Amino acid sequence: DQQVKQNSPSLSVQEGRISILNCDYTNSMFDYFLWYKKYPAEGPTFLISISSIKDKNEDGRFTVFLNKSAKHLSLHIVPSQPGDSAVYFCAAITGGTSGTYKYIFGTGTRLKVLA
Amino acid sequence: NAGVTQTPKFRVLKTGQSMTLLCAQDMNHEYMYWYRQDPGMGLRLIHYSVGEGTTAKGEVPDGYNVSRLKKQNFLLGLESAAPSQTSVYFCASRSDRFPSGNTIYFGEGSWLTVV
Repeated sequence: DQQVKQNSPSLSVQEGRISILNCDYTNSMFDYFLWYKKYPAEGPTFLISISSIKDKNEDGRFTVFLNKSAKHLSLHIVPSQPGDSAVYFCAAITGGTSGTYKYIFGTGTRLKVLA
Repeated sequence: NAGVTQTPKFRVLKTGQSMTLLCAQDMNHEYMYWYRQDPGMGLRLIHYSVGEGTTAKGEVPDGYNVSRLKKQNFLLGLESAAPSQTSVYFCASRSDRFPSGNTIYFGEGSWLTVV
């Protein structure tokens, strides 16, 4: 049972346009969400996060939106650059005691920004 | 600026052989994790540790063992490798401090092929 879903395995966008990556989740108890970016032959690197008490977080060209009622998370990249081409994973954290936080990852979306 | 370091980066094993993946982090993080990444499956948690001397099972622990004898090291062992364990393995760690502890940091990955 995939609790965090990224239904688009791939996405192509022209350089300079907006990239929108989507993520849906099923567990309303998730209280923190993160996006990671992964280049080939490298480990995932943290990109941006959002707490469940917020609906938007912005960091430069990257903005994450959270719609709790729809259980939907999206990452906007504006403007998109060729260096943004990578696989993007969304992740959700469900708590318990801090040591037993569970990180649930989506299956990833491969973004290709065309020059 | 090492962060999380994994060794070896690449390894080919024959079915039934054993091996150990080593993860080392220099950030004094309490929590460490081993994930595997397979096509279409995202990142799945194998085992994790909430501190030196502790280990716990994750989502897909079968066929693996772990040890955390020192705070900075987290070892993943395959006692009798099987082709189903062909995967990319990522080690990760995070702080126990709030709010930075919500972000986990990944190593660069270890590519394991079992033939």
